[in-house]
Amino acid sequence: DAKTTQPPSMDCAEGRAANLPCNHSTISGNEYVYWYRQIHSQGPQYIIHGLKNNETNEMASLIITEDRKSSTLILPHATLRDTAVYYCIVRAMGGKLIFGQGTELSVKP
Amino acid sequence: GAGVSQSPSNKVTEKGKDVELRCDPISGHTALYWYRQRLGQGLEFLIYFQGNSAPDKSGLPSDRFSAERTGESVSTLTIQRTQQEDSAVYLCASSLRGVGNTGELFFGEGSRLTVL
Repeated sequence: DAKTTQPPSMDCAEGRAANLPCNHSTISGNEYVYWYRQIHSQGPQYIIHGLKNNETNEMASLIITEDRKSSTLILPHATLRDTAVYYCIVRAMGGKLIFGQGTELSVKP
Repeated sequence: GAGVSQSPSNKVTEKGKDVELRCDPISGHTALYWYRQRLGQGLEFLIYFQGNSAPDKSGLPSDRFSAERTGESVSTLTIQRTQQEDSAVYLCASSLRGVGNTGELFFGEGSRLTVL
């Protein structure tokens, strides 16, 4: 599976959009981009995933660049409850989810 | 229950003892995964089940670790002769379909193991 690179930490003001970047320059054509988050002392929670097109659900939006070498997870109106570690994962067909170190997002009042 | 259930939620044991950790996946989920998370670290993949068979055991750290799944449901992770470095949260996840699809993983709350 392709490796991903994320900043170790980010801050965001409550109510503002949180934009979490992820680089996956070695991604293959059949690999999906997944985002999970882990709130302290809880199991990881699925957020969103995509292949080529941008995706949106009730939690977030996923913007994937045209060359698919990077993506951005957008939380449109961050709340204090969004404070968590966010993991960007690329997953091949037949592959398993390999978690990196993620980005620790702190939403501040 | 509606989610993945793990037990015990906390386990304290002495070095050298054996422990068993249990995972009840979401009903109907054919794929089941075990991960380990040491304090302040990311998740390490341990093993994956599709049905009752384990096509990927590549993450098991040593032969002291084993896992089984029966009835395409409950899974047990067994750690023999525990060592202090086994202290971690052990997380189980299940998925409606197995590896090779886009199904999301649903995680339990984990079993926290402390080896004294």
